[in-house]
Amino acid sequence: SSELTQPPSVSVSPGQTARITCSGGKLGHKNACWYQQKAGQSPVLVIYEDTMRPSGIPERFSGSNSGHTATLTISGTQAMDEAAYYCQAWDSSAGVVFGGGTKLTVL
Amino acid sequence: EVQVVESGGGLVKPGGSLGLSCVASEFTFSGYTMNWVRQAPGKGLEWVSSITSSGSYTFYADSVQGRFTISRDNAKYSLYLQMNSLRPEDTAVYYCARAPNWNPPHFDSWGQGTLVIVSS
Repeated sequence: SSELTQPPSVSVSPGQTARITCSGGKLGHKNACWYQQKAGQSPVLVIYEDTMRPSGIPERFSGSNSGHTATLTISGTQAMDEAAYYCQAWDSSAGVVFGGGTKLTVL
Repeated sequence: EVQVVESGGGLVKPGGSLGLSCVASEFTFSGYTMNWVRQAPGKGLEWVSSITSSGSYTFYADSVQGRFTISRDNAKYSLYLQMNSLRPEDTAVYYCARAPNWNPPHFDSWGQGTLVIVSS
């Protein structure tokens, strides 16, 4: 399957670790990436090629990918991290595929 | 600073046509795959189409195949999306996005988006 499944929402307390998962049939064999989209703004790339962090993205953002699941981890979550997060991969038949998005709430 | 700026959105009737443009600056446009990604109101991101750096290859989502055409003019640092036979479900903010590679792509710079509304 080319679909990527994310939990609709994740909640975390400030300073704690947030983990957002992205599941797909062959995800472990693909390069997953992650985007952050704050309300009313355009998406921003935070992780690419499973684990790589673009310049300017804080070190508290990290990624992993194994088996059928890619994970975005935000360590020491801050209030400014509250946003929607989307995973994305590429499928040879479907092209570019996005997950449905996860709304991260920092309580 | 890398910048892409979309234009051309607006209100169009079902079955109508609309053309979007994206102008890039502060990077070597001809070295990048360029892409359109859309977001319906209150919904998630949906890939629409991509074109490789030279324009030799184009790719489309099934939902727009045969109705939309992507093109680029590297001399003008411009990307285009011609949308025909528009449907209400095409209503969305359309983003222009840059990708360093195709296979696999990731989108490292996005525009602010242009809103397309398909309604009678």
